[in-house]
Amino acid sequence: KQEVTQIPAALSVPEGENLVLNCSFTDSAIYNLQWFRQDPGKGLTSLLLIQSSQREQTSGRLNASLDKSSGRSTLYIAASQPGDSATYLCAVTNYGQNFVFGPGTRLSVLP
Amino acid sequence: ETGVTQTPRHLVMGMTNKKSLKCEQHLGHNAMYWYKQSAKKPLELMFVYNFKEQTENNSVPSRFSPECPNSSHLFLHLHTLQPEDSALYLCASSQAGGNSNQPQHFGDGTRLSIL
Repeated sequence: KQEVTQIPAALSVPEGENLVLNCSFTDSAIYNLQWFRQDPGKGLTSLLLIQSSQREQTSGRLNASLDKSSGRSTLYIAASQPGDSATYLCAVTNYGQNFVFGPGTRLSVLP
Repeated sequence: ETGVTQTPRHLVMGMTNKKSLKCEQHLGHNAMYWYKQSAKKPLELMFVYNFKEQTENNSVPSRFSPECPNSSHLFLHLHTLQPEDSALYLCASSQAGGNSNQPQHFGDGTRLSIL
């Protein structure tokens, strides 16, 4: 059974810092991995989706990498801004299975 | 207009009430999902529909009853709920059904409180 963990559970950084969020999964035979952000009281917004054959995806200040063999993905946020404050979740899917979500990392970017 | 719309945004109900949650997607997707998000727990998949057919029931109690009349609409009918059912219920949709290469798009959820 696939299990997804995220470290740290919470992170607080000053504005302007570069930061890395981590996601680990136990079954490396994944189909794809997706990173989301969730603002308080809101649904999830898709940020990046990485196919199993890809090593990374980039969108603006966000870069997500995938290392299937080690069961890890990282989300790199460059030049963080207060508007980046949210909970970040990763989710993986194995072939024939639905998404399994991690518990999330709650990020606070201080002005 | 947002891609996935959920109503109501908030719902307070007693344990003996019957209510329904509604989800509508305007993205032309053919797969829809119900998730439950409880405090301090990861998102839990409840139901999956592909082309209006239920393809996944993740051991959800029968007091939750989903309905998918067409690919754009999804309902979750609630009856005789328990206090532990209080949570944020999220609806999502995607293209090409289930575990595809396509990303899932989420609504803003319904915050449900059981008295």
